[in-house]
Amino acid sequence: EAGVTQFPSHSVIEKGQTVTLRCDPISGHDNLYWYRRVMGKEIKFLLHFVKESKQDESGMPNNRFLAERTGGTYSTLKVQPAELEDSGVYFCASSQGGGPGYTFGSGTRLTVV
Amino acid sequence: QKEVEQNSGPLSVPEGAIASLNCTYSDRVSQSFFWYRQYSGKSPELIMSIYSNGDKEDGRFTAQLNKASQYVSLLIRDSQPSDSATYLCAVPEGPGGGADGLTFGKGTHLIIQP
Repeated sequence: EAGVTQFPSHSVIEKGQTVTLRCDPISGHDNLYWYRRVMGKEIKFLLHFVKESKQDESGMPNNRFLAERTGGTYSTLKVQPAELEDSGVYFCASSQGGGPGYTFGSGTRLTVV
Repeated sequence: QKEVEQNSGPLSVPEGAIASLNCTYSDRVSQSFFWYRQYSGKSPELIMSIYSNGDKEDGRFTAQLNKASQYVSLLIRDSQPSDSATYLCAVPEGPGGGADGLTFGKGTHLIIQP
């Protein structure tokens, strides 16, 4: 079984640019989560999809962040325009039935300069 | 806003000894508690979950929960160098037992010295 795949693994962009992160969950997993870890801080919940619907997006920092999951398969997280404080590691996770036993992807390290 | 507190460490433990990792949480209504292990540059991996007061054992790992004190710990017996990692404590964001997402602590960096 393929795991949760995220790409790119690293991205360096300039302030003001746009970046799109992608997450491919494990096939058949309806639940998909995005998390972020800013350096020196804890991993923070961003949002939760159930299939293509946003179940909870209370953790999204602001309206510069847009997450989509068209068709209930892969998900994208777009940051537009990127700011310096958006730098960090963005993790995606998926599960079949919900709950904490979900599988994390290896993360995308975003650096905004 | 839920908070999960952990000592960031590093916690250095000699090989073969017991490593004790601690976590406190702010929300009294939390019912589920999780320990994740994260190796450097890797993704978090769930290693233990506990829901009731007392101890839960799984191999060399024991999770201990005290809801009255809002305290959860992880003991690692017969510590091995391969246990060196960051250990993250987490509680559910909502009432869904973790299905709604998790609130994580900053993690404790554990070093097992050969």
